[in-house]
Amino acid sequence: GNSVTQMEGPVTLSEEAFLTINCTYTATGYPSLFWYVQYPGEGLQLLLKATKADDKGSNKGFEATYRKETTSFHLEKGSVQVSDSAVYFCALSDNGGATNKLIFGTGTLLAVQP
Amino acid sequence: DAGITQSPRHKVTETGTPVTLRCHQTENHRYMYWYRQDPGHGLRLIHYSYGVKDTDKGEVSDGYSVSRSKTEDFLLTLESATSSQTSVYFCAIRESGTGDSQPQHFGDGTRLSIL
Repeated sequence: GNSVTQMEGPVTLSEEAFLTINCTYTATGYPSLFWYVQYPGEGLQLLLKATKADDKGSNKGFEATYRKETTSFHLEKGSVQVSDSAVYFCALSDNGGATNKLIFGTGTLLAVQP
Repeated sequence: DAGITQSPRHKVTETGTPVTLRCHQTENHRYMYWYRQDPGHGLRLIHYSYGVKDTDKGEVSDGYSVSRSKTEDFLLTLESATSSQTSVYFCAIRESGTGDSQPQHFGDGTRLSIL
């Protein structure tokens, strides 16, 4: 079945460092891909999405490109801030039965130090 | 703001008691979902609904039931709670539209502890 694999955390960076969080997927067909962010004590918020191969999703300085050839959707940011500290989830839309269930990775905790 | 309210936000109860969690939305979305979040597992789908009285099971549905008698409310019930159901529960709605590109939007969660 479809699945998502994320890099293990926690990831600890200094402010203004470059961020990469790896995400790879296994899927039949071409699902939409998403990154969600969860701040402490809150629900998940959509960060960005991409719906087809070579699409680049971007938001708040974060980017991710849908790479069909490597089945990857890595999250990047050029200069992280302390306020980016959160858990990041990669997800794909499992369109089986047209109910668009989301399949999530296990999440990656990012801690940014001043 | 997707207009999703979950209640209660926190609950502590004992093994064997029934528990009902409520998800309320204000925007008439057709699709609603219940997930549980556990360390090392990310979010896993419990049940979902694709309309009033139309529901189906997700990957971790054992021990849970749901009901949707009106568009705005989706209830999750633990008929007889067990300690393995201690978790954080999230409700989500999906924006309307065709295809799989519409994202889901999440409530703030219910932290449930079963002693």
